[in-house]
Amino acid sequence: AQKITQTQPGMFVQEKEAVTLDCTYDTSDPSYGLFWYKQPSSGEMIFLIYQGSYDQQNATEGRYSLNFQKARKSANLVISASQLGDSAMYFCAMREASSGGGADGLTFGKGTHLIIQP
Amino acid sequence: EPEVTQTPSHQVTQMGQEVILRCVPISNHLYFYWYRQILGQKVEFLVSFYNNEISEKSEIFDDQFSVERPDGSNFTLKIRSTKLEDSAMYFCASRFSGSPSTDTQYFGPGTRLTVL
Repeated sequence: AQKITQTQPGMFVQEKEAVTLDCTYDTSDPSYGLFWYKQPSSGEMIFLIYQGSYDQQNATEGRYSLNFQKARKSANLVISASQLGDSAMYFCAMREASSGGGADGLTFGKGTHLIIQP
Repeated sequence: EPEVTQTPSHQVTQMGQEVILRCVPISNHLYFYWYRQILGQKVEFLVSFYNNEISEKSEIFDDQFSVERPDGSNFTLKIRSTKLEDSAMYFCASRFSGSPSTDTQYFGPGTRLTVL
């Protein structure tokens, strides 16, 4: 079973509109972290936002916010007032705290290719 | 702002050759990672490294792979005998410490490995 599911392979959005990128996750670990990364066409992975499983409030970082619905196991990324420079691949990722001693890796989804149109 | 660096940005090699990919993590970080991304696919975890030893490795990280921190700044990934299917972007990442579920991993720009 997929641990991270991103159901939108691609999205087209008009500039200045808000966009929501979906992410659902699967874990039985009570302590976990959820991350979103942006990968522009140049290839680097840019950290955007983090949400901890015990956080009471949804995370926000500038124009990025994370709509965290724990009971539904979803962690959707919301980008407000989209810009042309937001065009990129967006990956949702999870780190489960209890698996293996504290230093192991992130599990990524397949990503959503977001294209902002002028 | 400190960042993870990787060299080279692009490496082309012949099948069967050994390659070493280099990374300089952020200086005060303690946990180090390698990931790979085959073209058009998702990012996959390879290995994590802490306190001069491997902490965890995925099933991808077989005997042809090895990692090393030869000095206080570099972190390397060696592929002993490259195969065509090793062609991918390889990302190094590092994390400071703290709870593993909360601490962000920062990624380098990647090394694109092409095996001919």
